[in-house]
Amino acid sequence: DADVTQTPRNRITKTGKRIMLECSQTKGHDRMYWYRQDPGLGLRLIYYSFDVKDINKGEISDGYSVSRQAQAKFSLSLESAIPNQTALYFCATSDLPGLAGRDTQYFGPGTRLTVL
Amino acid sequence: QKEVEQNSGPLSVPEGAIASLNCTYSDRGSQSFFWYRQYSGKSPELIMFIYSNGDKEDGRFTAQLNKASQYVSLLIRDSQPSDSATYLCAVYNQGGKLIFGQGTELSVKP
Repeated sequence: DADVTQTPRNRITKTGKRIMLECSQTKGHDRMYWYRQDPGLGLRLIYYSFDVKDINKGEISDGYSVSRQAQAKFSLSLESAIPNQTALYFCATSDLPGLAGRDTQYFGPGTRLTVL
Repeated sequence: QKEVEQNSGPLSVPEGAIASLNCTYSDRGSQSFFWYRQYSGKSPELIMFIYSNGDKEDGRFTAQLNKASQYVSLLIRDSQPSDSATYLCAVYNQGGKLIFGQGTELSVKP
């Protein structure tokens, strides 16, 4: 079984709809992340969480919200989807490193979201 | 200026050649550097990480770091068609954020 899973894997929705993307992990990691990837722009951080009670905005959090339901679950919501949120979304996890700033991030398989 | 910059490519090399992928970063205080490989439509997977100046080798892959020049590279020896992918450079900045470059597309021709 995959260590980091994302559901759904593909989603087509309409402008204005609320949508939730879910991420689960069995790696036992404390840190979880949500990224979006657009052609030519690389991966950009949306939100991250270092533990259940810790939620932080990333580079591009506007229009998104998150919920850390448990150590293993981190959900991303688009409150009112718009076409420029069409992208590939990745969840990632990492462990608390012995030395800060050295943790390796492990990615889920991604969710391809299309907003019409 | 982007915090982490890569040439987007595509970089095309013949099978068996050395592929050289380059990355520059702007935060002089950065301490940790990663290379990820991403096949089309798939998730990034870690290839190597490097923390210290110099070279680090793992099989056909060598990461090179020069902190004075704020430059990190990835060499792939004996390139294979299966190495064709996008390679992402990622750098932890002083603020503790992992910043990704836009990726370099590598094409290895048989």
